[in-house]
Amino acid sequence: SYELTQPPSVSVSPGQTASITCSGDKLGDKYACWYQQKPGQSPELVIYQHIKRPSGIPERFSGSKSGDTATLTISGTQAMDEADYYCQAWDSNTAVFGGGTKLTVL
Amino acid sequence: EVQLVESGGGLVQPGGSLRLSCAASGFTFSTYGMNWVRQAPGKGLEWVSYISSSSRTIFYADSVKGRFTISRDNAKNSLYLQMNSLRDEDTAAYYCARDLGAVAGTVILDYWGQSTLVTVSS
Repeated sequence: SYELTQPPSVSVSPGQTASITCSGDKLGDKYACWYQQKPGQSPELVIYQHIKRPSGIPERFSGSKSGDTATLTISGTQAMDEADYYCQAWDSNTAVFGGGTKLTVL
Repeated sequence: EVQLVESGGGLVQPGGSLRLSCAASGFTFSTYGMNWVRQAPGKGLEWVSYISSSSRTIFYADSVKGRFTISRDNAKNSLYLQMNSLRDEDTAAYYCARDLGAVAGTVILDYWGQSTLVTVSS
């Protein structure tokens, strides 16, 4: 079955840039999206089709793709960005999530 | 405002059944594909099932295939998940989520409900 790999944790200082990667076989041929989930809350879509940002999502969130790796970048990270982040893609009629990355802002 | 409100969760014994519902409002429900996604306590997200706007296309995760059935009633703006032969590992918060529908052949979950908790335990 298809798998997406994310680092379990990423740490960043306030105001700095955080990058979270997501890799998978032939991910470059698929559309990756990213979700943010804060403790006790539902996930929220922050990036889709690798680079698009839904309305209402701050411009400091951006996405990119290089080969079979998708990257979520948060510029000027704020304390409110501390959350779990999940990548997701669609493969063989199945939605697949990465294992999630806990972003710590310290 | 898009709203998705799940209900129907609870405590059930292994081997039992439960039916989850998701009431949708704030958008034209009949034109969007819908999904169920679950999250076991302290774990990551796991997609469960997808149903197209017309119910013609349905997909399941291997972990629930043959035990769970997704359905919808567009007249009632409602999504359902019938869960049979429940196992301990089905214990999770269950979210309903709308498919953005931006790209054919993929699923993008642009709105999520607050979830309903299912606990399978004897």
